[in-house]
Amino acid sequence: DAKTTQPPSMDCAEGRAANLPCNHSTISGNEYVYWYRQIHSQGPQYIIHGLKNNETNEMASLIITEDRKSSTLILPHATLRDTAVYYCIVRARVANQAGTALIFGKGTTLSVSS
Amino acid sequence: DTAVSQTPKYLVTQMGNDKSIKCEQNLGHDTMYWYKQDSKKFLKIMFSYNNKELIINETVPNRFSPKSPDKAHLNLHINSLELGDSAVYFCASSQWGTGVGSPLHFGNGTRLTVT
Repeated sequence: DAKTTQPPSMDCAEGRAANLPCNHSTISGNEYVYWYRQIHSQGPQYIIHGLKNNETNEMASLIITEDRKSSTLILPHATLRDTAVYYCIVRARVANQAGTALIFGKGTTLSVSS
Repeated sequence: DTAVSQTPKYLVTQMGNDKSIKCEQNLGHDTMYWYKQDSKKFLKIMFSYNNKELIINETVPNRFSPKSPDKAHLNLHINSLELGDSAVYFCASSQWGTGVGSPLHFGNGTRLTVT
């Protein structure tokens, strides 16, 4: 089961910052928060991940609260091409299995309009 | 250069047939995965191999059989295809050595349609 909660949809004006929230109140101390997005039916695209500290790369910034129970993905200047489903994922060991995997939830559909 | 490549991109076949999907990664990763995305768009983990060893085997009909001939390849063979197998199948890879801090890289999927 997904361990995160995201709003089902959000809208953003082109050129503005898109702030996508995610709750992960049951996160464990060694579990990372990952963000992916999926445009149409393409393969999920990795955006960013973090453990405790805030992270930034060329695509986005990830802000993780001090208690690690929630995070926010920030796209600083959204474009039309950023319209996609965004997934916040806490990577964890798959129940009764030897490996870990990304367990996807329903994600947030971000619509960027001009 | 495509990091994770799947073939074929589209696969249309009839019920009862047997088909295979191939996946190759050139990232030097040691762990590979198969995910299924159904018509409701939910992405579900099916299998994972680490160094050719099966480490994740979710509740999947035994008509589905993954095979990993080496670290760079993970194939999915499906016997006796059923209508409900229609979906998009995604392959992914990651580096196990860094544990849960290693991102998965996905291919662009194989759209399977069973008629």
